[in-house]
Amino acid sequence: GQQVMQIPQYQHVQEGEDFTTYCNSSTTLSNIQWYKQRPGGHPVFLIQLVKSGEVKKQKRLTFQFGEAKKNSSLHITATQTTDVGTYFCSRTSGNQFYFGTGTSLTVIP
Amino acid sequence: GAVVSQHPSRVICKSGTSVKIECRSLDFQATTMFWYRQFPKQSLMLMATSNEGSKATYEQGVEKDKFLINHASLTLSTLTVTSAHPEDSSFYICSARTTPNTEAFFGQGTRLTVV
Repeated sequence: GQQVMQIPQYQHVQEGEDFTTYCNSSTTLSNIQWYKQRPGGHPVFLIQLVKSGEVKKQKRLTFQFGEAKKNSSLHITATQTTDVGTYFCSRTSGNQFYFGTGTSLTVIP
Repeated sequence: GAVVSQHPSRVICKSGTSVKIECRSLDFQATTMFWYRQFPKQSLMLMATSNEGSKATYEQGVEKDKFLINHASLTLSTLTVTSAHPEDSSFYICSARTTPNTEAFFGQGTRLTVV
């Protein structure tokens, strides 16, 4: 399946700074999911977006689904060291789901 | 959330041997499980979809004779890497969903090293 591109690939921020990762698809997505993978760990589900223009918040995390349902973003406000990890978006195709290229976040204390 | 258990977490094997990785859904029945491979600092690449009671569906470029998948019950899927080579060294992760289009739950992953 076609891989969804994420930018940036890597991001280093000072603790307290904000962070945003973007997920872009060339085709319209039925839905998009976001996962976080800590170093050495397995992916953990964060959220699913379904509706065009949908915005969801989880404490310091804000997730957005584009109006055209071809892109999505994850924004973290005031990063903490616990936010370290790689963030993946994931698209669904039939019964399968495919991961984006990922953004690795490093938070400098 | 649902629990998916994967074993072993780490395995080292010699070139030419086979390695079996187990993936179990502990508190739900999974008619479908998914196997991914992840190389260092890269994304998870879907290898195959494991279907209970039927043949697995492999992604393009994945050798079905090398990566044998068996899904004998609603709670167990196995991936066997046959005739392993050093380039097969990777992190293998299984995943399952309780229902379609819902969140995926992942096993802890298996780090395979072929020497």
